[in-house]
Amino acid sequence: NAGVTQTPKFRILKIGQSMTLQCTQDMNHNYMYWYRQDPGMGLKLIYYSVGAGITDKGEVPNGYNVSRSTTEDFPLRLELAAPSQTSVYFCASSYPPPGQGYYNEQFFGPGTRLTVL
Amino acid sequence: TQLLEQSPQFLSIQEGENLTVYCNSSSVFSSLQWYRQEPGEGPVLLVTVVTGGEVKKLKRLTFQFGDARKDSSLHITAAQPGDTGLYLCAGGRAGANSKLTFGKGITLSVRP
Repeated sequence: NAGVTQTPKFRILKIGQSMTLQCTQDMNHNYMYWYRQDPGMGLKLIYYSVGAGITDKGEVPNGYNVSRSTTEDFPLRLELAAPSQTSVYFCASSYPPPGQGYYNEQFFGPGTRLTVL
Repeated sequence: TQLLEQSPQFLSIQEGENLTVYCNSSSVFSSLQWYRQEPGEGPVLLVTVVTGGEVKKLKRLTFQFGDARKDSSLHITAAQPGDTGLYLCAGGRAGANSKLTFGKGITLSVRP
């Protein structure tokens, strides 16, 4: 299993450009997440999904959009890039909740480092 | 908002030393996880603790969940350069649509 894969690994955008960050997992996890990580700030949740066709906002959703058409894929869209979106973006997935004993242990991808100039 | 405070923020020690770092909150969590993140990579789960007072060991790493499930500690015995990285704690609540709350992390550097 490849786990969680993200592409691209690095990207430089100009202000106002758009792009899609790709995320794919091959573990058949229902739950998927997008985080951004800024220096000294930990991980901030952008959007998450509990299954195909279902998405919801996290803590910092402004300027981003997501879709979840399949269990495997959870792309993150930036429509009008701004310097404030310069960050490292991580996609993660977790087990489906079986009832008892589900503690949302997350598996992370390697990240996409995005710079907006 | 459930906040997790991690301390110290930065720690630089010599190989072979012991250290303890902390993750504290005013809120109760049903579980607490520790992740380690190496430069240029994503976080990797080290352990999940779920019962108040629980202690888990992973080789030279000892994790403890506070009795009231509001705090946790990580103790490393005889630190090695391979322990270098960012240590993140994350609190969660069991149940549908649960999300994790992450602390800001502790940057550990172990010098040879």
